[in-house]
Amino acid sequence: GQQLNQSPQSMFIQEGEDVSMNCTSSSIFNTWLWYKQDPGEGPVLLIALYKAGELTSNGRLTAQFGITRKDSFLNISASIPSDVGIYFCAGYRGSNYKLTFGKGTLLTVNP
Amino acid sequence: GAVVSQHPSRVICKSGTSVKIECRSLDFQATTMFWYRQFPKQSLMLMATSNEGSKATYEQGVEKDKFLINHASLTLSTLTVTSAHPEDSSFYICSASGQGRGYENSPLHFGNGTRLTVT
Repeated sequence: GQQLNQSPQSMFIQEGEDVSMNCTSSSIFNTWLWYKQDPGEGPVLLIALYKAGELTSNGRLTAQFGITRKDSFLNISASIPSDVGIYFCAGYRGSNYKLTFGKGTLLTVNP
Repeated sequence: GAVVSQHPSRVICKSGTSVKIECRSLDFQATTMFWYRQFPKQSLMLMATSNEGSKATYEQGVEKDKFLINHASLTLSTLTVTSAHPEDSSFYICSASGQGRGYENSPLHFGNGTRLTVT
């Protein structure tokens, strides 16, 4: 099925650095979601975005819903070792909550 | 805390047997649940959409007779992998969307997944 274009695929950073990842789509989504997945576990919702242009924060995480509705980014400030994991963007249209996922960004944080 | 519970977390079965995986919404009614499959180092791929009281909608390429889905109540959906084979070994994850007052804009929450190994 269709997938979102998520980049970068992986990142290796030092503790304390800021991180940015983004997702783009050729079609419009009404809602963008960002998840984090640890090995062997299900994705955990980080941030949900419902309106074009919306900028939302959750602690050190900030995400924005692109004004064109075709993109979103996630920033992590002052990274810490527990930020390690795979981050997925996801979007859906309409009210059926059927998600389209990005391929994920693997984040490694060196202490 | 967790709002979607998935059981079991791990299961090992012999080839040819069937395995049932449960997905429960813990503190809300889920009229729609989704079943995903995830291979190592890959993204989640939607298998089917499960609607309470009706037949599931399967994605293209997913065998409905092999992956039986039952959504008998507003808090429980089950996925049964029938006549499992080694190639069915994977990580299966469910999600649920809340409906009703307070959940109209509820984003999807995921269970913790089930690691299926078919020997």
